[in-house]
Amino acid sequence: ETGVTQSPTHLIKTRGQQVTLRCSSQSGHNTVSWYQQALGQGPQFIFQYYREEENGRGNFPPRFSGLQFPNYSSELNVNALELDDSALYLCASSLDFTGELFFGEGSRLTVL
Amino acid sequence: AQRVTQPEKLLSVFKGAPVELKCNYSYSGSPELFWYVQYSRQRLQLLLRHISRESIKGFTADLNKGETSFHLKKPFAQEEDSAMYYCALNQYNQGGKLIFGQGTELSVKP
Repeated sequence: ETGVTQSPTHLIKTRGQQVTLRCSSQSGHNTVSWYQQALGQGPQFIFQYYREEENGRGNFPPRFSGLQFPNYSSELNVNALELDDSALYLCASSLDFTGELFFGEGSRLTVL
Repeated sequence: AQRVTQPEKLLSVFKGAPVELKCNYSYSGSPELFWYVQYSRQRLQLLLRHISRESIKGFTADLNKGETSFHLKKPFAQEEDSAMYYCALNQYNQGGKLIFGQGTELSVKP
């Protein structure tokens, strides 16, 4: 059974740039959720994808967007990066709408 | 508004002492609550959920709707319990969209 994998693990961008983060869900899971975790804080829900459709969104601006592919892998895109976007971005997969999430190790984004 | 509060950022105990990590929530509907744990250099993982009412690694948590709490307890802490613990609320009928608390770092000293 393959767990949730995320790439890249670390990246540095400058303000105004765009970034794409990738996630492969755990085998058999059809739902992917993305969370932002700032230093010293708990994860904050960005959005969720179920069978390639967005299925809920947290309090994040439209410059945060995503995709889910037929194999249930997912991407998180952030445009016009701001300094406050610096954080650990976590991907989590699940089967349908359970709160039992399986997390990846995260992608740490630094915006300079 | 839905909210999860973990009042302690750091909890330090000695091995063998009882542990209680506090979690309070604010939610108007029927809550579904979880505890997630992150050990050093490992990914965030589910520890337990209130629906299953089971004990994992000696930890238990009881949902108290009157006090809107879901405290995590263990009678005798072990050094390997040292980790970050997050309480999370799953909004009813919005599965998988968890609201996390800020986390409590548990340090168990020998």
